[in-house]
Amino acid sequence: DQQVKQNSPSLSVQEGRISILNCDYTNSMFDYFLWYKKYPAEGPTFLISISSIKDKNEDGRFTVFLNKSAKHLSLHIVPSQPGDSAVYFCAPSQGAQKLVFGQGTRLTINP
Amino acid sequence: NAGVTQTPKFRILKIGQSMTLQCTQDMNHNYMYWYRQDPGMGLKLIYYSVGAGITDKGEVPNGYNVSRSTTEDFPLRLELAAPSQTSVYFCASTQGLNNPVLTFGAGSRLTVL
Repeated sequence: DQQVKQNSPSLSVQEGRISILNCDYTNSMFDYFLWYKKYPAEGPTFLISISSIKDKNEDGRFTVFLNKSAKHLSLHIVPSQPGDSAVYFCAPSQGAQKLVFGQGTRLTINP
Repeated sequence: NAGVTQTPKFRILKIGQSMTLQCTQDMNHNYMYWYRQDPGMGLKLIYYSVGAGITDKGEVPNGYNVSRSTTEDFPLRLELAAPSQTSVYFCASTQGLNNPVLTFGAGSRLTVL
């Protein structure tokens, strides 16, 4: 029973364009949603988050959107840069104790 | 400030051997976690701890044990290693109850042959 799904294993975007990564979840008790970025041979690093009381959070080139009725969140990166090439995980949590990770989406930014 | 440090980075085990993955954090975080990541999959929680002397099972605890004798250290013990435990293991920590943002170590890649 996968509580969190990232249905696109990979995504290829041209440099300067917008990257949109999607995440669907089933547990309506999740109250905090995080995105992590992972480079090869490194641990995941925190990127951006949103609480369930908001529907949008922006940090520089990164914006996360939350649609609670659809149990869907998305991460927008604009403009995309080569350094954004990495694996992105969405990770909702319930009560800030235990994150549940999606399978990840490998983003490749092409020059 | 080292953050979360994991050792070893790589290890090959034979079936039935045992070993301990070490994890140390210098941020005085109360909460510590062990995750495993299999190829093409997300991270799955093995065990976690909310403070020294307190541990609890996560989603996939079978075949593992943990202890938390100090705030800084959270070792993960593998007893009787099996090929199914071939994975990349990540240790993580966070300050406390209202902060879900985890700081991760660089990972330990374990192969069981």
